[in-house]
Amino acid sequence: SQQGEEDPQALSIQEGENATMNCSYKTSINNLQWYRQNSGRGLVHLILIRSNEREKHSGRLRVTLDTSKKSSSLLITASRAADTASYFCATDDKIIFGKGTRLHILP
Amino acid sequence: EAGVVQSPRYKIIEKKQPVAFWCNPISGHNTLYWYRQNLGQGPELLIRYENEEAVDDSQLPKDRFSAERLKGVDSTLKIQPAELGDSAVYLCASSLVRGESYEQYFGPGTRLTVT
Repeated sequence: SQQGEEDPQALSIQEGENATMNCSYKTSINNLQWYRQNSGRGLVHLILIRSNEREKHSGRLRVTLDTSKKSSSLLITASRAADTASYFCATDDKIIFGKGTRLHILP
Repeated sequence: EAGVVQSPRYKIIEKKQPVAFWCNPISGHNTLYWYRQNLGQGPELLIRYENEEAVDDSQLPKDRFSAERLKGVDSTLKIQPAELGDSAVYLCASSLVRGESYEQYFGPGTRLTVT
């Protein structure tokens, strides 16, 4: 079974709006990672958050981690057309990706 | 810095034929991964190498899939014989594992079509 499950499966928002997607996992982890995949650049690592961290920022990205709920969220602020992609979370336990959230930014 | 290189980028074969994929990881990366990604799904780990040792191959269908990583650098993934259900994108990734943190760098993938 998948270790990471992203929610929602698909999300469409207007350019400039914020996008939030969530990830739930099942077992204890050392870290959780978010990746982006689009047709142009393939799978790219976005950000890693360690189990002892609660929040991390990188540019327009904000990641939170709640180990008690075994969940993480990825917030993309001021979305751009280039953010259109599928987003996956991955945990270190068995490096199992979820099915992803397909984000579509509308012009 | 050169990224992860995979070849071929596309492959079309008939079922029951053999096929091989090649991966050259980023220089210095000690860990190499092979994933399979079906349409609309996330990558599924097939095998993970730490240097030359396969440390996790629990998801590799060993009856038809094999992999090797000679000298702890390049790797080859083979399918023999291929089945229709093997059609997917095969991704190779590498990372430099330091303690508990490892960022994976992915190659462009090989899109396999089995007819």
